[in-house]
Formats: sequence, structure tokens, C-alpha cells
Amino acid sequence: EDKVVQSPLSLVVHEGDTVTLNCSYEVTNFRSLLWYKQEKKAPTFLFMLTSSGIEKKSGRLSSILDKKELFSILNITATQTGDSAIYLCAVISNFGNEKLTFGTGTRLTIIP
Amino acid sequence: EAQVTQNPRYLITVTGKKLTVTCSQNMNHEYMSWYRQDPGLGLRQIYYSMNVEVTDKGDVPEGYKVSRKEKRNFPLILESPSPNQTSLYFCASSLLGDEQFFGPGTRLTVL
Repeated sequence: EDKVVQSPLSLVVHEGDTVTLNCSYEVTNFRSLLWYKQEKKAPTFLFMLTSSGIEKKSGRLSSILDKKELFSILNITATQTGDSAIYLCAVISNFGNEKLTFGTGTRLTIIP
Repeated sequence: EAQVTQNPRYLITVTGKKLTVTCSQNMNHEYMSWYRQDPGLGLRQIYYSMNVEVTDKGDVPEGYKVSRKEKRNFPLILESPSPNQTSLYFCASSLLGDEQFFGPGTRLTVL
């Protein structure tokens, strides 16, 4: 059975801090790993990672994938209160069925 | 505007009363999927569809039905809802191989 594990489950930091969120996975026929941000509504897409070692960056957020060690990290630098959300990691496995397997998420709270 | 829409957004119903949650996308996506989100369990896939008239079970399909008669629509049907189906439901769509876009969610309560 495919499994995605995120850590920590919850994180509280002060505005301006840098945070690192972790995602490890065990899936058959791995294809891609995705990060989503969920505030009080639907998940919104952040990154899709397919190749090892290539950093994806968007403003203060960045992410990288290690396919040998089966994990990914999401970094957020100079955090702001608007970064408070649940961050979800998901993997797509098996060419053909596009199934997303999600982790339970990391709840990030930024204190002003 | 490219989007996935769901209706209703909120629904309170009683055990056994059939209901349908609609999902529609205007992006000409082949792939559509339904997830439920529960505290501590994350998002779990209920059913998915790779194209018109092609549907398959996800991880938690029991008690649900779907249909894909047209590319843009993917309704979720609960023939006889039970309290354990109280949850937050999301519909998502994508081009094959691309990131999935999520609808706004439907909060369902079954009494």
C-alpha cells in the first residue's frame, strides 16, 4: 500500500523564521511528488517534483526531491502570517491512473 | 476563469436520503477525482475517472457511486448516506500527468 508521511504534524514559529517541512514516501512506480497549501478552503498547488536534486522555487518557497532516499522537503524563508496553513504532500504513482496519495499534512502557524 | 465548481457547498441531510454532489470543470481536463478529507486521516481518494465513461475505485469507494457521461461533469452520488460519510469532500481535475486543481469543497453532515 502506498504511504506518504509528513513531519512535523504541527509547527509554530515566529514571523521571519525559516521552516523546513518534510515528506517521505513509499510508493510503487513513483512518478511525481506534489506540494499543496491548504488554508480554510481547497488545496492550492505549489510544486510538482519529478526529478531528483532539482530545486523548484517560487518566491520564498522552495522544494527539492530525493528519489534515492524517498523524501522531499519544502522550505519557507522569512515566514509571514499569510504562510499559516496546512501543507500537504502527495505522490502520484503508477503510470496511467493518476492517483494522488496524500500525507496527513503539516499545520504551520506563524506568530506575528 | 478556469475553475472546478462543486454544489452544494454545504449540506445537512438525514441517514438514508439519497443525495448528489455535482462537480464541473471548464478546463477540458481528462482526469477527474473525488476525495474526502477527515481530521487525522488527510485526503483520501473515493473514485476517479480517466475520461468519459471510464471510472474506477479509489481507496474508500464504499457507499459512493460516480458517473462520467460528459467530460466536464463528475457527480458523486450517495445512494443511502450514513453518519460515517459526514466529511469534507473535494472534487479535482487535471490534464493527464499534470497537477490536480481542486474545487472549493462540500461540507456534508449526515444526521
